[in-house]
Amino acid sequence: QKEVEQDPGPLSVPEGAIVSLNCTYSNSAFQYFMWYRQYSRKGPELLMYTYSSGNKEDGRFTAQVDKSSKYISLFIRDSQPSDSATYLCAMSLMTTDSWGKLQFGAGTQVVVTP
Amino acid sequence: GAVVSQHPSWVICKSGTSVKIECRSLDFQATTMFWYRQFPKQSLMLMATSNEGSKATYEQGVEKDKFLINHASLTLSTLTVTSAHPEDSSFYICSGSGRLGTDTQYFGPGTRLTVL
Repeated sequence: QKEVEQDPGPLSVPEGAIVSLNCTYSNSAFQYFMWYRQYSRKGPELLMYTYSSGNKEDGRFTAQVDKSSKYISLFIRDSQPSDSATYLCAMSLMTTDSWGKLQFGAGTQVVVTP
Repeated sequence: GAVVSQHPSWVICKSGTSVKIECRSLDFQATTMFWYRQFPKQSLMLMATSNEGSKATYEQGVEKDKFLINHASLTLSTLTVTSAHPEDSSFYICSGSGRLGTDTQYFGPGTRLTVL
């Protein structure tokens, strides 16, 4: 079983809809949670990061962490065709031994149709 | 801010030759840099971690003699693929960490290596 599970999609939504992305994880020691966006043939771009349970909002993006359920989500409101990309969740233990070692989900491909 | 560049963005080489990829943090000091490879439609696989002035730490299964990593300064790391073979063809991505003292990594745009 992978430490981080993420549905690879593709997830197709019409323009203007809310995109809902999820990851589940098995290691309750994960402390730090990130979402990256990756366009085809490009490096991942950091969208959001959070340490704690609850919601964090940044513009059209909302990241949600539920540590008790070991579940994180990313919501994209008013989706645009330019949001079409692969979204990767990543998490970290934030310990000295594991410094910098991120566990990535497989990535979900999102397609926003005009 | 937090920009990482890679050079070249795309390289084609003959089997048996060596290829060097540069990774630079442009607006922050990357105390730690990471090298990943990514196959089509797959997630990132960490190859190695390097700290400035130290030897790189390689992940299990990654040949250290084949993938030479040098982290000469706080803004530059290089990955050299020695005696490249077609199975080394992949998308190589570096990232830097150290900004704001968090575990956040900032990724470069990637280098696509094709070995003929």
